[in-house]
Amino acid sequence: GAGVSQTPSNKVTEKGKYVELRCDPISGHTALYWYRQSLGQGPEFLIYFQGTGAADDSGLPNDRFFAVRPEGSVSTLKIQRTERGDSAVYLCASSLLPRGNEQFFGPGTRLTVL
Amino acid sequence: AQSVTQPDIHITVSEGASLELRCNYSYGATPYLFWYVQSPGQGLQLLLKYFSGDTLVQGIKGFEAEFKRSQSSFNLRKPSVHWSDAAEYFCAVGPFTGGGNKLTFGTGTQLKVEL
Repeated sequence: GAGVSQTPSNKVTEKGKYVELRCDPISGHTALYWYRQSLGQGPEFLIYFQGTGAADDSGLPNDRFFAVRPEGSVSTLKIQRTERGDSAVYLCASSLLPRGNEQFFGPGTRLTVL
Repeated sequence: AQSVTQPDIHITVSEGASLELRCNYSYGATPYLFWYVQSPGQGLQLLLKYFSGDTLVQGIKGFEAEFKRSQSSFNLRKPSVHWSDAAEYFCAVGPFTGGGNKLTFGTGTQLKVEL
């Protein structure tokens, strides 16, 4: 079956612009996660959705970052007033159940802020 | 707060040689432990996971890992490395009970395989 998909695969933007990154989880997976991976680092947790609600957003770095999952499936990560330090690969993952289940990762969106 | 340490940033082994990648974790409760592999341009793929029970866990592609509570370690091993194993490997820890469901990853070990 289809895995987790993310669009776009690459996004180049200018400092100060607004960007949206999309994640399509595996069908039927109730839990969805966003991570950010900077160069030379492991993925860092941003936010976790259980259904439509954000169950844990403790990893969002500041209020420029926001994510939604209005129908409990597709999620969008939104970044306002982008900064060069936001440049990273943004990874999305989904799992069938919230706890203890394998998280299946998408290929990521590489965001470059010029 | 939980943390994961992968002390080896880069490792080079010859094809056919054995491999051990180190992982140490700090966690206040019983953890879930994972090893993921990431090839260039690919998403993270789960190699194996440990929740409970037998401390020696078998995974895909011939990998295994051993959970040692006394050493807070979860080292990944493979008896004979193939050139296609060249990739970056990440150890991760997650909550067994309570808390959120986020995974905390190490900084990764880049594996190079010499032919």
